[in-house]
Parts: sequence; C-alpha cells; structure tokens
Amino acid sequence: SQQGEEDPQALSIQEGENATMNCSYKTSINNLQWYRQNSGRGLVHLILIRSNEREKHSGRLRVTLDTSKKSSSLLITASRAADTASYFCATDAKETSGSRLTFGEGTQLTVNP
Amino acid sequence: GAVVSQHPSRVICKSGTSVKIECRSLDFQATTMFWYRQFPKKSLMLMATSNEGSKATYEQGVEKDKFLINHASLTLSTLTVTSAHPEDSSFYICSAAGTGINNSPLHFGNGTRLTVT
Repeated sequence: SQQGEEDPQALSIQEGENATMNCSYKTSINNLQWYRQNSGRGLVHLILIRSNEREKHSGRLRVTLDTSKKSSSLLITASRAADTASYFCATDAKETSGSRLTFGEGTQLTVNP
Repeated sequence: GAVVSQHPSRVICKSGTSVKIECRSLDFQATTMFWYRQFPKKSLMLMATSNEGSKATYEQGVEKDKFLINHASLTLSTLTVTSAHPEDSSFYICSAAGTGINNSPLHFGNGTRLTVT
C-alpha cells in the first residue's frame, strides 16, 4: 500500500525563520493534504491541494505539489513558537474511495522563541 | 467549522477488560468514520473504516473481533477494545467525513490515550 514519507523527521528553527517540510508518495492521487498535530491531540487540517494544482497558499502556509515527482512541500513563513507541532502529509489515492487517507511519517517542528 | 468529539480523552483499564471509545460528529452527518492508532512519535495507522448502517472494513492485520466497531447512526461511531492487553496501550484517533463529500478534508477527534495495566 502507499506510504508517504516525509523529511526531515525533525526540524528545529528560530522564531521568524521559515520552515520547509517535504513529502513523497508512491501512487496516483486525487489530492494531498497537510495536517498539524499538537502533542497528545487530534489532527487539524491545514490545507488541501488537488492533483491538478501546483501551488496553494493559506496565510503563512504555502504548499506545492509536483505530481511528476510525486512530492509535495509545506512552507511555513515567519514561524512562531506556536507553530511547534508535528506536521503530516496525507494522500487521497485514486485507487481508493471516499476520503481514505494514507499519512506520512510526519515532521516534528520545533520553533524556538 | 465541523467538530468531531471523541470520548474519553484518557482511560486506564486492567488487562482483560473492555474499553469503549466514542466518536461523535457534532454539527454534521458522517456516513464514514475512520479509526486510527498512533504509537509515540509515529504516524497514524488506519485500523478500520466505519460505515453507517453496515459492517466496518478492517485493514489487513487488524483483528475485527478484538476491535469492535459500531456505526449505528450518522453521528456516532464506537470502537470497543475487547479483552485489552498492555500491548493495546496506544493513542486512538477517530476522524469523520461528511455525507456525499469527496476530496474534502477529514475532521479529527482529539484522540483517546488508552493505558492497559
């Protein structure tokens, strides 16, 4: 089955710096989504990018998708200490139906004040 | 926005007992709910897909008799861990998808930390 992979596994930066996380996947997708998880909590949806889109913005978030390379990146600009969390990409594969997502391994982001 | 409530947030039980976890969609109808298990510092592992009014679809390697799923209404799915053992200790998270919605994000509960002693 498809398994997303993310890198880096952990990222530590200073407040104000930008954070970039990458995600790779293996099958054809309908869309790719990014989620955030604070420690011990559920996941919060951040942004969804469809397979026919290449870039999407939402506030300080910028997501790119390259379906030829089967990869995506999440950029958080002007990071804040409150951005500290785990970030997961998730793919909605064409071979499956109905919002069944496959999650990557996640990137643990630490933003130091 | 759409809200999914998961209860309890934490539970400690003794080996051999059963534990029920509830997942409710508070302001929308969820024809499909998903149950995940997450180990520390790891990704979410899909356990099963719960469909309202029908049997759940379990992922390979997940024991359906151990992890009983019931989705009796459009707003409630339950996961019962039967005859729990210490190795069942984990973080369980549910998510819900709305009716007739494809290509849409999932809404997650806040998870249940299960500790089996």
